[in-house]
Amino acid sequence: AQSVTQLGSHVSVSEGALVLLRCNYSSSVPPYLFWYVQYPNQGLQLLLKYTSAATLVKGINGFEAEFKKSETSFHLTKPSAHMSDAAEYFCAVTGGGFQKLVFGTGTRLLVSP
Amino acid sequence: GAVVSQHPSRVICKSGTSVKIECRSLDFQATTMFWYRQFPKKSLMLMATSNEGSKATYEQGVEKDKFLINHASLTLSTLTVTSAHPEDSSFYICSARGQGAREQFFGPGTRLTVL
Repeated sequence: AQSVTQLGSHVSVSEGALVLLRCNYSSSVPPYLFWYVQYPNQGLQLLLKYTSAATLVKGINGFEAEFKKSETSFHLTKPSAHMSDAAEYFCAVTGGGFQKLVFGTGTRLLVSP
Repeated sequence: GAVVSQHPSRVICKSGTSVKIECRSLDFQATTMFWYRQFPKKSLMLMATSNEGSKATYEQGVEKDKFLINHASLTLSTLTVTSAHPEDSSFYICSARGQGAREQFFGPGTRLTVL
């Protein structure tokens, strides 16, 4: 079975500051991990994914995440926040055999001028 | 890239009526489609998984007679909310996955309001 914990339901940063959104996972099999972004009243857009290749994964819009097996973490970072990054971010995990995606509870990123 | 559409984007209906939501994969064949429900400020809750040509597999606690899912082709799945009530009001999101793929592509969602 898989599960995801996202620490912090809200994260506030200033424009230009570092963005760090935390995700810890639990999985009984080697995990596949995803970060999605959701803007108000819209579906989910894939930011990046880890599928057992490189542990540092680069995604769209300047985001990246590092898979750390020893820490069971897959934190999302961006060096410099933009106002347009304000949205809801979801971490998700799936295991082998094309199992269903299990989502975290989401983190709302707020970006102030 | 892979595109998934949903129709309608918003629907308002009276209590007791049925509502059908369509989910289409526009540029790939979706062997598996998923239906999620999202409450305000909450995460996505998987309702059911459907494989083309097969009956949908519902998650525990989801009424299959209330939420009818059909996946008749490799590009179309439908969710019908039967005899809708105000508590069914929610944001419904579908996703689609191609054969052999692990990644799901999400539709833009449908906002259902039952009066």
